[in-house]
Amino acid sequence: AQSVTQLGSHVSVSEGALVLLRCNYSSSVPPYLFWYVQYPNQGLQLLLKYTSAATLVKGINGFEAEFKKSETSFHLTKPSAHMSDAAEYFCAVSGTSNTGKLIFGQGTTLQVKP
Amino acid sequence: DTGVSQDPRHKITKRGQNVTFRCDPISEHNRLYWYRQTLGQGPEFLTYFQNEAQLEKSRLLSDRFSAERPKGSFSTLEIQRTEQGDSAMYLCASSLAGLYTGELFFGEGSRLTVL
Repeated sequence: AQSVTQLGSHVSVSEGALVLLRCNYSSSVPPYLFWYVQYPNQGLQLLLKYTSAATLVKGINGFEAEFKKSETSFHLTKPSAHMSDAAEYFCAVSGTSNTGKLIFGQGTTLQVKP
Repeated sequence: DTGVSQDPRHKITKRGQNVTFRCDPISEHNRLYWYRQTLGQGPEFLTYFQNEAQLEKSRLLSDRFSAERPKGSFSTLEIQRTEQGDSAMYLCASSLAGLYTGELFFGEGSRLTVL
Protein backbone atom coordinates (compact mmCIF):
# COMPACT_ATOMS: atom_id res chain seq x y z
CA ALA A 1 0.00 0.00 0.00
CA GLN A 2 1.10 3.54 -0.63
CA SER A 3 0.73 6.47 1.73
CA VAL A 4 1.80 10.05 2.27
CA THR A 5 2.53 11.85 5.51
CA GLN A 6 2.75 15.61 5.69
CA LEU A 7 4.52 16.82 8.79
CA GLY A 8 2.82 19.86 10.27
CA SER A 9 -0.79 20.69 9.54
CA HIS A 10 -0.05 24.42 9.87
CA VAL A 11 3.09 26.32 8.92
CA SER A 12 3.50 30.05 9.46
CA VAL A 13 6.25 32.13 7.89
CA SER A 14 6.96 35.80 7.44
CA GLU A 15 6.79 37.37 4.02
CA GLY A 16 10.19 36.97 2.36
CA ALA A 17 11.18 33.98 4.50
CA LEU A 18 11.94 30.46 3.32
CA VAL A 19 8.98 28.13 2.90
CA LEU A 20 9.53 24.46 3.74
CA LEU A 21 6.63 22.02 3.66
CA ARG A 22 7.48 18.43 4.51
CA CYS A 23 6.23 15.29 2.82
CA ASN A 24 7.27 11.69 3.36
CA TYR A 25 5.89 8.84 1.31
CA SER A 26 5.66 5.09 1.48
CA SER A 27 5.63 3.11 -1.73
CA SER A 28 6.48 -0.43 -2.73
CA VAL A 29 7.26 0.68 -6.28
CA PRO A 30 9.08 3.70 -7.69
CA PRO A 31 6.61 6.48 -7.02
CA TYR A 32 5.29 9.39 -8.94
CA LEU A 33 4.97 12.30 -6.52
CA PHE A 34 2.99 15.51 -6.70
CA TRP A 35 2.35 18.73 -4.87
CA TYR A 36 -1.02 20.41 -5.30
CA VAL A 37 -2.17 23.78 -3.96
CA GLN A 38 -5.71 24.73 -3.00
CA TYR A 39 -6.66 28.36 -2.62
CA PRO A 40 -9.87 29.21 -0.75
CA ASN A 41 -12.98 28.30 -2.73
CA GLN A 42 -10.93 26.95 -5.63
CA GLY A 43 -10.06 23.53 -6.95
CA LEU A 44 -6.74 21.79 -6.50
CA GLN A 45 -4.04 23.02 -8.84
CA LEU A 46 -0.85 21.16 -9.69
CA LEU A 47 2.30 22.88 -8.44
CA LEU A 48 4.84 20.32 -9.57
CA LYS A 49 5.43 16.61 -10.12
CA TYR A 50 8.21 14.05 -9.97
CA THR A 51 8.02 11.26 -12.52
CA SER A 52 11.46 9.61 -12.21
CA ALA A 53 13.42 12.12 -14.25
CA ALA A 54 15.39 14.86 -12.47
CA THR A 55 15.26 14.60 -8.69
CA LEU A 56 15.01 18.38 -8.28
CA VAL A 57 11.72 19.48 -9.73
CA LYS A 58 10.73 23.06 -10.40
CA GLY A 59 7.12 24.11 -10.42
CA ILE A 60 4.98 27.16 -10.77
CA ASN A 61 5.19 30.30 -8.65
CA GLY A 62 8.82 29.70 -7.68
CA PHE A 63 8.24 26.43 -5.83
CA GLU A 64 10.51 23.43 -6.12
CA ALA A 65 10.81 20.02 -4.52
CA GLU A 66 13.57 17.45 -4.25
CA PHE A 67 12.98 13.71 -4.42
CA LYS A 68 15.20 11.89 -1.92
CA LYS A 69 14.78 8.15 -2.20
CA SER A 70 17.02 7.38 0.79
CA GLU A 71 14.82 9.55 3.01
CA THR A 72 11.54 8.73 1.21
CA SER A 73 10.90 12.45 1.16
CA PHE A 74 9.60 15.02 -1.29
CA HIS A 75 9.72 18.32 0.58
CA LEU A 76 8.40 21.50 -1.02
CA THR A 77 10.41 24.71 -0.79
CA LYS A 78 10.32 28.31 -1.91
CA PRO A 79 13.16 30.72 -1.14
CA SER A 80 11.00 33.74 -0.40
CA ALA A 81 7.36 33.60 0.67
CA HIS A 82 4.80 35.96 -0.78
CA MET A 83 1.46 36.85 0.74
CA SER A 84 -0.25 35.21 -2.22
CA ASP A 85 1.29 31.84 -1.27
CA ALA A 86 -1.11 31.50 1.65
CA ALA A 87 -3.11 28.38 0.83
CA GLU A 88 -3.42 24.69 1.62
CA TYR A 89 -0.81 22.39 0.12
CA PHE A 90 -1.20 18.69 -0.52
CA CYS A 91 1.43 16.10 -1.29
CA ALA A 92 0.27 13.06 -3.25
CA VAL A 93 1.64 9.78 -4.55
CA SER A 94 0.34 7.83 -7.50
CA GLY A 95 -1.22 4.42 -6.91
CA THR A 96 0.58 1.16 -7.59
CA SER A 97 -1.67 0.22 -10.47
CA ASN A 98 -1.85 2.22 -13.65
CA THR A 99 -5.12 3.86 -12.71
CA GLY A 100 -3.84 7.37 -12.36
CA LYS A 101 -5.35 7.41 -8.88
CA LEU A 102 -3.61 9.75 -6.43
CA ILE A 103 -3.28 9.20 -2.69
CA PHE A 104 -3.11 12.47 -0.79
CA GLY A 105 -1.60 13.55 2.47
CA GLN A 106 -3.70 15.39 5.01
CA GLY A 107 -2.49 18.79 3.86
CA THR A 108 -0.52 21.69 5.27
CA THR A 109 -1.98 25.15 5.65
CA LEU A 110 0.57 27.83 4.90
CA GLN A 111 0.10 31.18 6.60
CA VAL A 112 2.23 34.12 5.43
CA LYS A 113 2.57 37.02 7.87
CA PRO A 114 3.36 40.53 6.66
CA ASP B 1 -12.59 27.84 -20.26
CA THR B 2 -13.09 24.09 -20.71
CA GLY B 3 -11.88 22.83 -17.36
CA VAL B 4 -13.65 20.39 -15.08
CA SER B 5 -17.00 21.73 -13.94
CA GLN B 6 -19.15 20.54 -11.07
CA ASP B 7 -22.75 21.26 -10.20
CA PRO B 8 -24.11 22.30 -7.82
CA ARG B 9 -21.32 24.07 -6.00
CA HIS B 10 -23.22 23.97 -2.74
CA LYS B 11 -26.02 21.73 -1.52
CA ILE B 12 -27.75 21.86 1.84
CA THR B 13 -30.09 18.99 2.57
CA LYS B 14 -31.86 17.32 5.44
CA ARG B 15 -30.80 13.96 6.75
CA GLY B 16 -32.47 11.16 4.86
CA GLN B 17 -32.81 13.02 1.57
CA ASN B 18 -31.11 11.97 -1.65
CA VAL B 19 -28.65 14.25 -3.44
CA THR B 20 -26.98 14.07 -6.82
CA PHE B 21 -23.85 15.81 -8.03
CA ARG B 22 -22.78 16.21 -11.62
CA CYS B 23 -19.30 16.45 -13.06
CA ASP B 24 -18.33 17.46 -16.58
CA PRO B 25 -14.70 16.56 -17.26
CA ILE B 26 -12.33 18.10 -19.75
CA SER B 27 -13.79 16.96 -23.06
CA GLU B 28 -10.95 14.81 -24.36
CA HIS B 29 -10.27 13.13 -21.00
CA ASN B 30 -11.37 9.52 -20.74
CA ARG B 31 -10.68 9.03 -17.04
CA LEU B 32 -12.85 10.56 -14.35
CA TYR B 33 -12.35 10.41 -10.59
CA TRP B 34 -14.46 11.23 -7.55
CA TYR B 35 -12.85 12.22 -4.27
CA ARG B 36 -14.25 13.31 -0.93
CA GLN B 37 -12.58 15.94 1.23
CA THR B 38 -13.54 16.70 4.82
CA LEU B 39 -12.35 19.66 6.84
CA GLY B 40 -8.67 19.45 7.67
CA GLN B 41 -8.09 16.35 5.58
CA GLY B 42 -6.72 15.61 2.16
CA PRO B 43 -8.92 14.31 -0.65
CA GLU B 44 -9.89 10.65 -0.27
CA PHE B 45 -10.42 8.53 -3.35
CA LEU B 46 -13.95 7.25 -3.89
CA THR B 47 -14.13 5.83 -7.41
CA TYR B 48 -12.93 6.21 -10.96
CA PHE B 49 -14.11 5.56 -14.49
CA GLN B 50 -12.32 4.92 -17.70
CA ASN B 51 -14.77 5.88 -20.41
CA GLU B 52 -18.11 4.50 -19.16
CA ALA B 53 -16.62 1.64 -17.12
CA GLN B 54 -16.34 2.03 -13.37
CA LEU B 55 -13.01 0.34 -12.71
CA GLU B 56 -12.40 0.87 -9.03
CA LYS B 57 -14.43 1.73 -5.94
CA SER B 58 -13.09 2.57 -2.52
CA ARG B 59 -14.37 0.88 0.60
CA LEU B 60 -15.43 4.40 1.59
CA LEU B 61 -18.16 4.16 -1.02
CA SER B 62 -20.98 2.61 0.93
CA ASP B 63 -24.10 1.10 -0.63
CA ARG B 64 -25.80 4.48 -0.32
CA PHE B 65 -23.38 5.94 -2.85
CA SER B 66 -23.62 5.29 -6.56
CA ALA B 67 -21.72 6.82 -9.43
CA GLU B 68 -22.39 6.59 -13.13
CA ARG B 69 -20.83 7.76 -16.33
CA PRO B 70 -23.34 6.52 -18.87
CA LYS B 71 -21.84 7.77 -22.11
CA GLY B 72 -18.26 8.18 -21.05
CA SER B 73 -18.63 11.93 -20.77
CA PHE B 74 -20.25 13.53 -17.70
CA SER B 75 -20.64 11.64 -14.45
CA THR B 76 -23.10 11.73 -11.57
CA LEU B 77 -22.57 10.84 -7.94
CA GLU B 78 -25.74 10.09 -6.00
CA ILE B 79 -25.99 9.76 -2.25
CA GLN B 80 -29.14 8.14 -0.95
CA ARG B 81 -30.55 8.60 2.55
CA THR B 82 -27.93 11.17 3.44
CA GLU B 83 -26.37 11.17 6.91
CA GLN B 84 -24.62 13.98 8.73
CA GLY B 85 -21.34 12.18 8.22
CA ASP B 86 -21.74 12.66 4.48
CA SER B 87 -21.13 16.38 4.89
CA ALA B 88 -17.99 17.07 2.87
CA MET B 89 -16.62 18.55 -0.33
CA TYR B 90 -17.02 16.17 -3.25
CA LEU B 91 -14.29 16.67 -5.83
CA CYS B 92 -14.24 15.51 -9.40
CA ALA B 93 -11.08 15.20 -11.48
CA SER B 94 -10.25 14.00 -14.96
CA SER B 95 -7.22 12.85 -16.89
CA LEU B 96 -6.21 11.25 -20.15
CA ALA B 97 -5.16 7.62 -19.94
CA GLY B 98 -2.35 6.46 -22.14
CA LEU B 99 -0.60 9.79 -22.03
CA TYR B 100 0.30 9.35 -18.42
CA THR B 101 1.70 12.45 -16.87
CA GLY B 102 0.12 11.70 -13.53
CA GLU B 103 -1.69 14.99 -13.39
CA LEU B 104 -5.32 15.05 -12.40
CA PHE B 105 -7.32 18.14 -13.30
CA PHE B 106 -9.75 19.03 -10.54
CA GLY B 107 -13.02 20.87 -10.50
CA GLU B 108 -13.90 23.34 -7.77
CA GLY B 109 -15.95 20.80 -5.90
CA SER B 110 -19.50 20.39 -4.65
CA ARG B 111 -19.94 21.12 -0.97
CA LEU B 112 -22.60 19.06 0.79
CA THR B 113 -24.06 20.03 4.14
CA VAL B 114 -26.42 17.56 5.75
CA LEU B 115 -28.56 19.00 8.55
